[in-house]
Amino acid sequence: DAKTTQPNSMESNEEEPVHLPCNHSTISGTDYIHWYRQLPSQGPEYVIHGLTSNVNNRMASLAIAEDRKSSTLILHRATLRDAAVYYCILRFGGSGGGADGLTFGKGTHLIIQP
Amino acid sequence: GAVVSQHPSWVICKSGTSVKIECRSLDFQATTMFWYRQFPKQSLMLMATSNEGSKATYEQGVEKDKFLINHASLTLSTLTVTSAHPEDSSFYICSATISWGSNQPQHFGDGTRLSIL
Repeated sequence: DAKTTQPNSMESNEEEPVHLPCNHSTISGTDYIHWYRQLPSQGPEYVIHGLTSNVNNRMASLAIAEDRKSSTLILHRATLRDAAVYYCILRFGGSGGGADGLTFGKGTHLIIQP
Repeated sequence: GAVVSQHPSWVICKSGTSVKIECRSLDFQATTMFWYRQFPKQSLMLMATSNEGSKATYEQGVEKDKFLINHASLTLSTLTVTSAHPEDSSFYICSATISWGSNQPQHFGDGTRLSIL
């Protein structure tokens, strides 16, 4: 899977929007962009994924740059429960893709201030 | 939906004993399950891929004779840490997918914290 780059940590205030960036300049045309988060002492949790178009679900929104070399996970109104490590992961979308495990980077440690 | 249950949540045992960790998909069938390990302050590292009815595929550097994986049914995979030693103490996490495809999310269990004394 292609490499991603994320800031080590970010801080935000409760009830404010949070924009978590991810750079993936070597992304291929068939790679999907996935986001997971891991709360303290828990397994990771799927957040959202996309290919080219922006995506919305009940947890977050994913904004994908037109050239697909970067993306941003948007939490519209952060709560204390959103404090976690957020991982941006690319998944190969070609033949055989999806049959392998995930490659986790260091992610972004999101701190939410009350 | 798509719930993955892991048991036990934590275990403490003496050096030299074997420990079995179960991973179950509660509301879906999982042809493939994955096992990860996470040391303190580090990210998750994939250990092995478990396919129902066949031998597991281990990542480079993971001892297959030490970490025995059995995936006997579409809803259950087990990881047995044999002759565990203090350096095996870690957070073990499993995941499963409903179907193959890079646009399919993986669903994770809550992990098992293993402490070897």
